[in-house]
Amino acid sequence: DAGVTQSPTHLIKTRGQQVTLRCSPKSGHDTVSWYQQALGQGPQFIFQYYEEEERQRGNFPDRFSGHQFPNYSSELNVNALLLGDSALYLCASSLWQGFQETQYFGPGTRLLVL
Amino acid sequence: AQTVTQSQPEMSVQEAETVTLSCTYDTSESDYYLFWYKQPPSRQMILVIRQEAYKQQNATENRFSVNFQKAAKSFSLKISDSQLGDAAMYFCAFIGAGGTSYGKLTFGQGTILTVHP
Repeated sequence: DAGVTQSPTHLIKTRGQQVTLRCSPKSGHDTVSWYQQALGQGPQFIFQYYEEEERQRGNFPDRFSGHQFPNYSSELNVNALLLGDSALYLCASSLWQGFQETQYFGPGTRLLVL
Repeated sequence: AQTVTQSQPEMSVQEAETVTLSCTYDTSESDYYLFWYKQPPSRQMILVIRQEAYKQQNATENRFSVNFQKAAKSFSLKISDSQLGDAAMYFCAFIGAGGTSYGKLTFGQGTILTVHP
């Protein structure tokens, strides 16, 4: 049973550039959530996708956008990168069951903005 | 808005001993779930245990158990027979079963657990 996978594992960009991160959910899951984790802090919710639509969004600017594909995989796009965007980006998948949602995380993508 | 507070930035325990990590939360919702996640140095976030708020019985997973006090909004994690592999950052997290917090985990600041041989 394949778990959540993310690519790439590491990425280095410069300020102003754009980046795309990818996530494949755990087998059988239909919902993907994205989190940003700065070093030494807890993850912060960015947004969640279900049925190819953004269902929930955290307090992140419009520079952060996403997409979900028919096979439930997802992308996170960040435009106009800032130094403060350097973080570990975690993808989590879950099953939309109405009243419970246990999220399982991937290994993350470490983004460094120079 | 929901908040999760972990008041212990660091904890340590001797191998084979028991340790308890504290967590408090604040919410106006009546239906929600609470989790403990473990994040080792690899930074892979691993689910440790889950508690449904409507269940009075405390959740248990092998050496891990919780003390859930709904009225006090407290959710502590007890690790029994600690092992070297338990060393990690532990995060307490909250998710609502509906409303504005549905689908988004709110995490505490984390507690670094060190296990001494």
